[in-house]
Amino acid sequence: AQSVTQPDIHITVSEGASLELRCNYSYGATPYLFWYVQSPGQGLQLLLKYFSGDTLVQGIKGFEAEFKRSQSSFNLRKPSVHWSDAAEYFCAVGGGGYQKVTFGTGTKLQVIP
Amino acid sequence: EAQVTQNPRYLITVTGKKLTVTCSQNMNHEYMSWYRQDPGLGLRQIYYSMNVEVTDKGDVPEGYKVSRKEKRNFPLILESPSPNQTSLYFCASSLLAGVSYNEQFFGPGTRLTVL
Repeated sequence: AQSVTQPDIHITVSEGASLELRCNYSYGATPYLFWYVQSPGQGLQLLLKYFSGDTLVQGIKGFEAEFKRSQSSFNLRKPSVHWSDAAEYFCAVGGGGYQKVTFGTGTKLQVIP
Repeated sequence: EAQVTQNPRYLITVTGKKLTVTCSQNMNHEYMSWYRQDPGLGLRQIYYSMNVEVTDKGDVPEGYKVSRKEKRNFPLILESPSPNQTSLYFCASSLLAGVSYNEQFFGPGTRLTVL
């Protein structure tokens, strides 16, 4: 069975600082990996996804993520955080038997001035 | 505009009073799904549908029903709601081919409180 772990429940960063959100997955084959963002009061929006090829994936809003097979990780990064990035971020893995996507528990990002 | 809509956005009800949360998408997607989001538990799949008249259980289906009579609509039915179904509910849709690697489009969510 596939699973996703997001070890950080809350993260606080200063505006302009760099950001890294951690995601570890468990899946037997090559996974499909996603990062979604949920702004307050809204549904989830796809930031980026990885299927194969280049392990560094660029997404919307200046985010990127790096797939590291040896560490079973897919961490999300942004070099300089803006106040509007305050939201909850979900990592997800796909590829299960009935084409299932499994979401992590989320990391809530707070941005301070 | 491509979107997934849900109604109502907020609902407070009492134990045992049947309710339906509607979901509609205008992208001609075959695949639709319902999730519930609870603090510390992330999103858990309730039911999904791969096409009209084709539905199946997700990870937490107990206490819920769904139907898919039309491609665009996928209502979630709580026949006898209980307080443990208080949660934030999301409907999502995507292309069927490659569900596990296609983007899912999410509705804005329905916050349900069962007293």
